[in-house]
Amino acid sequence: QVQLDQSGPRLVKPSGTLSLTCGISGGSIRSSHWWTWVRQSPGGDLEWIGEVHFSGGTNYNPSLQSRVNISVDTSRHQFFLKMSSMTAADTAFYFCAGNGPSALGVLTYWGQGSLVTVSS
Amino acid sequence: DIQMTQSPSTLSVSVGDRVTITCRASQTISDWLAWYQQKPGKVPKVLIYRTSSIMSGVPSRFSGSGAGTEFTLTISSLQPDDFATYYCQQHIHYPYTFGQGTKLEIK
Repeated sequence: QVQLDQSGPRLVKPSGTLSLTCGISGGSIRSSHWWTWVRQSPGGDLEWIGEVHFSGGTNYNPSLQSRVNISVDTSRHQFFLKMSSMTAADTAFYFCAGNGPSALGVLTYWGQGSLVTVSS
Repeated sequence: DIQMTQSPSTLSVSVGDRVTITCRASQTISDWLAWYQQKPGKVPKVLIYRTSSIMSGVPSRFSGSGAGTEFTLTISSLQPDDFATYYCQQHIHYPYTFGQGTKLEIK
């Protein structure tokens, strides 16, 4: 069973850059075509940030695209999120996730989530 | 972006009730609609994808229906473990988008 383990700083300064890592275990990084980052506001709203294919291709949410970079390292079975110019509005739970075999865009595998707070 | 609107936002229900949650898309998404369940402090769990396909291990009391722009999630007989927040998600057009959630509360 594929498991995702997130890591990275939980506190980011305003105007700083968020860097999160998601490690994949229990299966191949090729077990999912697309590896995804999602965030959830303190009020509960879910927002799709973007995804990376194991070959390196990416798709981003246009609302965040100018600030986001998602990449993959297949040799280390990891994928990454970088989000720049962070503000208080970016305070949220950040999840890494992956498609299962069911259908594209369906998030079957989830990391444990990281509460990221933007504060000085 | 496709806007996903769920109703109601909160539903007060009792064990044994038949529960129906509605999700409307701002434009047609064919049948590319998934449902997730999230309990407090936990990550979302996908229940249904492509409108009506149930994930392995999900109880048969959960079912989904609809097409185009209007979809429903039905729980045939609510169990204590089902008190949670449910989200719909369209998974055909980028960016993928979610509904705002429907919280099931104990009546």
